[in-house]
Amino acid sequence: QSALTQPASVSGSPGQSITISCTGTSSDVGGYNYVSWYQQHPGKAPKLMIYDVSNRPSGISNRFSGSKSGNTASLTISGLQPEDEADYYCSSYTRSSTLVAFGGGTKLTVL
Amino acid sequence: EVQLVESGGGLVQPGGSLRLSCEASGFSFITSTMNWVRQAPGKGLEWVSYISSSSSSIYYADSVKGRFTISRDNAKNSLYLQMNSLIAEDTAIYYCARGRDSTLIVYWGQGTLVTVSS
Repeated sequence: QSALTQPASVSGSPGQSITISCTGTSSDVGGYNYVSWYQQHPGKAPKLMIYDVSNRPSGISNRFSGSKSGNTASLTISGLQPEDEADYYCSSYTRSSTLVAFGGGTKLTVL
Repeated sequence: EVQLVESGGGLVQPGGSLRLSCEASGFSFITSTMNWVRQAPGKGLEWVSYISSSSSSIYYADSVKGRFTISRDNAKNSLYLQMNSLIAEDTAIYYCARGRDSTLIVYWGQGTLVTVSS
């Protein structure tokens, strides 16, 4: 069982917007602004999309945005494109001895 | 270009040992924190271990504590994971990953597959 809770799947049509939630506790998501999001295409390594809740690394489209409220973080993808279809994982620094917590992953389907 | 190339994966019997290596290039390895993260077939990501740039801080997931040992050789730009007392649940792709500090993983290698089976 993953430390952070994500929906197993979300879907949307090209051009639409979707939001993926990531729920933790005050020991991780709620306690620090160290939430990150990763995109993983089948057979590929994960790729950093959002860090420190809402920052985008260089080269990442501004269609990707992040936010946080309390113990829940969110990733929003606007203007969905077919290449956005992938698995998305949230991650957070955690006060526990584990140091890093991941969500179980959300499969995004672009219809 | 940042590159992380893992090696050392393979098939091992339960109770056996394996040593994974990760060769880094394209960035300052000596000043970078490093992690191992694994992904069981068809499953999600699981953080395994972290090591600071000077090896002064080391952390492990509870699931591998006492069985796995992370280390690095900054002169060789290399990261290692010694895995002992392997069990079936350790079967996964193991990714070497560069960190910003202890709070963020910024770049992942392509991974090496470890299969624990008799």
